[in-house]
Amino acid sequence: EIVLTQSPATLSLSPGERATLSCRASQSISSYLAWYQQKPGQAPRLLIYDASIRATGIPARFSGSGSGTDFTLTISSLEPEDFAVYYCLQRSNWPITFGQGTRLEIK
Amino acid sequence: EVQLVESGGGFVQSGGSLRLSCAASGFTFSSCAMIWVRQAPGKGLEWVSTISDSGGSTHYADSVRGRFAISRDNSGNTLYLQMNSLRAEDTAIYYCAKATYTTGGHFDYCGQGTLVTVSS
Repeated sequence: EIVLTQSPATLSLSPGERATLSCRASQSISSYLAWYQQKPGQAPRLLIYDASIRATGIPARFSGSGSGTDFTLTISSLEPEDFAVYYCLQRSNWPITFGQGTRLEIK
Repeated sequence: EVQLVESGGGFVQSGGSLRLSCAASGFTFSSCAMIWVRQAPGKGLEWVSTISDSGGSTHYADSVRGRFAISRDNSGNTLYLQMNSLRAEDTAIYYCAKATYTTGGHFDYCGQGTLVTVSS
């Protein structure tokens, strides 16, 4: 099973700041990584797939990068609605696995 | 507009069974793999199972293999999850999700979930 490790566990930032979230895979997953955003009481929403492709309707301030084992989700300038929990997911190998999540909170 | 509406959750005793359903609309259901994902209270997301577009291929997490069965009715645009031998650790919100590809992959749309509570 491929283990995804997200860091940091919690990130405290202010609106307008840049956020950088990391996801590291226990073995190479090529570019088969997706990022999701989840707000309290809501279902997860797809932000980025195949490491760097923004999903439909996702603002340009969200970007993804990386390949192999190291991946990054960057939010260029935080909006109030961006404070949420973010998960990465790999689809390279069965079983599909998620990272444990990064909580992005308002400083 | 893609819509996924789960139903069938509820309270069940340990060792019991439940069958979840997911009614899909707004896309060509028979052309998409479908996924169940769950989230225990206060915890992260966990992939449960994937079924291919035709239903001919299924995959399960080790934690549910042999106890849960995923199936689909392409004529009725409905996804199912039969859950047997339920355990307290199966307590979670269960989300139905539309996969991006015919055989699986990540998901691009998700329902609002149905809560399953297993009492020990």
